[in-house]
Amino acid sequence: SQQGEEDPQALSIQEGENATMNCSYKTSINNLQWYRQNSGRGLVHLILIRSNEREKHSGRLRVTLDTSKKSSSLLITASRAADTASYFCATGPGSARQLTFGSGTQLTVLP
Amino acid sequence: DTAVSQTPKYLVTQMGNDKSIKCEQNLGHDTMYWYKQDSKKFLKIMFSYNNKELIINETVPNRFSPKSPDKAHLNLHINSLELGDSAVYFCASSQNGFTDTQYFGPGTRLTVL
Repeated sequence: SQQGEEDPQALSIQEGENATMNCSYKTSINNLQWYRQNSGRGLVHLILIRSNEREKHSGRLRVTLDTSKKSSSLLITASRAADTASYFCATGPGSARQLTFGSGTQLTVLP
Repeated sequence: DTAVSQTPKYLVTQMGNDKSIKCEQNLGHDTMYWYKQDSKKFLKIMFSYNNKELIINETVPNRFSPKSPDKAHLNLHINSLELGDSAVYFCASSQNGFTDTQYFGPGTRLTVL
């Protein structure tokens, strides 16, 4: 079964608004990563948060991790049309030696 | 310079054919991967490989095989192509281990007719 699952599957907002995407997972992890995929392109790494971290920032991105709830959230503040993309969480389980990706959230930012 | 490159970008072929997709990374990374992304954008790991170990996802048919001529290259060979093999295939690499940050290639869209 999938390790990481994103919610919602699709999100449409106006430029300037904040976008929040959630990721839930099932087993213990050593890190959780968020990636962005623009249409027709490869995935681009955004941020990595380790299991002993609770929050991390990178520019307009804020990621939180709650290991007790096995969940993470990605917040994009002051969204731009260029943020339109699919966003994936990927978990690095402690017992396995590979990343497992969710099915992604499709974010559309309307100008 | 492109960090992870794949060729070809598009591949259209008939059922039953054998094809290869090439991948090269110039990042000096030790570990490379192949992923398959289906039409619903679900990304599934196929292979993880470094100079010590090959990890094969057990759901991958043995018609698929990775070949690594050197540390910078990991090619994907597919024999006897089937309709269900149509997907986008991504190569990726990472520096430190299988769960480290990964750098993806642009993808190869394979269409089997």
